[in-house]
Amino acid sequence: GEDVEQSLFLSVREGDSSVINCTYTDSSSTYLYWYKQEPGAGLQLLTYIFSNMDMKQDQRLTVLLNKKDKHLSLRIADTQTGDSAIYFCAERGGATNKLIFGTGTLLAVQP
Amino acid sequence: DVKVTQSSRYLVKRTGEKVFLECVQDMDHENMFWYRQDPGLGLRLIYFSYDVKMKEKGDIPEGYSVSREKKERFSLILESASTNQTSMYLCASSQGGGAEKLFFGSGTQLSVL
Repeated sequence: GEDVEQSLFLSVREGDSSVINCTYTDSSSTYLYWYKQEPGAGLQLLTYIFSNMDMKQDQRLTVLLNKKDKHLSLRIADTQTGDSAIYFCAERGGATNKLIFGTGTLLAVQP
Repeated sequence: DVKVTQSSRYLVKRTGEKVFLECVQDMDHENMFWYRQDPGLGLRLIYFSYDVKMKEKGDIPEGYSVSREKKERFSLILESASTNQTSMYLCASSQGGGAEKLFFGSGTQLSVL
């Protein structure tokens, strides 16, 4: 079945770049997403990419998609303490159209 | 901005109780979803609805039911709560279409004792 995997934890220093990685199994995925969850809050859509693109940039965020390897990454430039949160990767299944979420990566930003 | 409101932030219930979790969205979205979030497991889809009075099972529907009598409101029902239903419950809505962007509520942390 469809599966999305992420590493559980990433620690970076303030001002550095963060790279959060995600792998997925559904080769017919149509869209891939990054959501952010701050403490005590629901998920907030950060950005998404259509499966026929390989890169999308939005201010400090860069999404890279390697469709051949089924690998998605989110790069946050100049990481700030306010970026500390859980980041979820999700893919929209080509067959089901449902969103499948990864387990989330906790990003800790050290001052 | 889209607002998705979940009626309770924290709930404590006893085993065997019937539990209602309410969710309301204010942007006339067609689609609504209930997920549960558990550490190390991410988000898992319980039920979803693409229209009023319509419901579809997600990946883990056992022990749950839903109700969508009005477009803006989607209720999750635990008929007889059990301790393994202790979790964070997240409601979401979307307009559908190409990118299926979900908007989430703040969540309800349910503890079943």
